Amino acid sequence: AQTVTQSQPEMSVQEAETVTLSCTYDTSESDYYLFWYKQPPSRQMILVIRQEAYKQQNATENRFSVNFQKAAKSFSLKISDSQLGDAAMYFCAYRSATNNDMRFGAGTRLTVKP
Amino acid sequence: NAGVTQTPKFRILKIGQSMTLQCTQDMNHNYMYWYRQDPGMGLKLIYYSVGAGITDKGEVPNGYNVSRSTTEDFPLRLELAAPSQTSVYFCASGYTYNSPLHFGNGTRLTVT
Repeated sequence: AQTVTQSQPEMSVQEAETVTLSCTYDTSESDYYLFWYKQPPSRQMILVIRQEAYKQQNATENRFSVNFQKAAKSFSLKISDSQLGDAAMYFCAYRSATNNDMRFGAGTRLTVKP
Repeated sequence: NAGVTQTPKFRILKIGQSMTLQCTQDMNHNYMYWYRQDPGMGLKLIYYSVGAGITDKGEVPNGYNVSRSTTEDFPLRLELAAPSQTSVYFCASGYTYNSPLHFGNGTRLTVT
C-alpha cells in the first residue's frame, strides 16, 4: 500500500517570508495524483494545490507552489510571502489512479510569526 | 448547494453502544470516503465507495460498517463502540477518481 511521509511535525516562518514543507511518498505506480490540504483550527479541510504525476510542470496557485520530483518521490510545498492566515496543519495526500483510495501524511503544523 | 454535510457534530458514547454517523452530499459525486483523524495525526481511511452499491475497505475498517444505497448518502456505522474509536471523523466526496475531495466539517466522537 502507498504511504505518505511528512518528516516535519512542526514548522515556523516569519510573516512575509518563504517556507517549504516536505512530503515523500512510496509507490510502485506511475499514474497518480498528489495534493496539499490545509486544516485551520476550524477543522475544515481545504485544498491548497494539486499535481498530476504525468505532468512535469510544477503546479502553482498564487503564493503556493510545489516542487514535484517524481523519481525521488518527493512533493514539497512552498509558501511565499507567508501570511498570518496561512497558519494551519498542512497535509500531503496521495491519490491512486487504480485503486481509488486516497492516503494522507501525518501533517505539518505551520506557525506564522508576526 | 450545501456540499458535504455530516451529522452529528459531536457525540459521546458509552463503551458497547452503537451509532451511525450520517454523511450526505448534494454535488452528485460518485466517490465518497470516511476518514478518522486521531489527535495530532493525519487522516486514516476507513471505508470508501465509488458509487451506489459499491463499498471497499480502507486502512482501518475494523469496528465499522458502511452502506451506499444512494449516490447522496454514505453512513458510517459503529458497532460496539470502544475507547480506541475516540476520534474526529471526516466524510469526503469527489466527482471522479482524480478530483480533489470535498470534506464535511467532521464529527467529534468520544467513547468512554
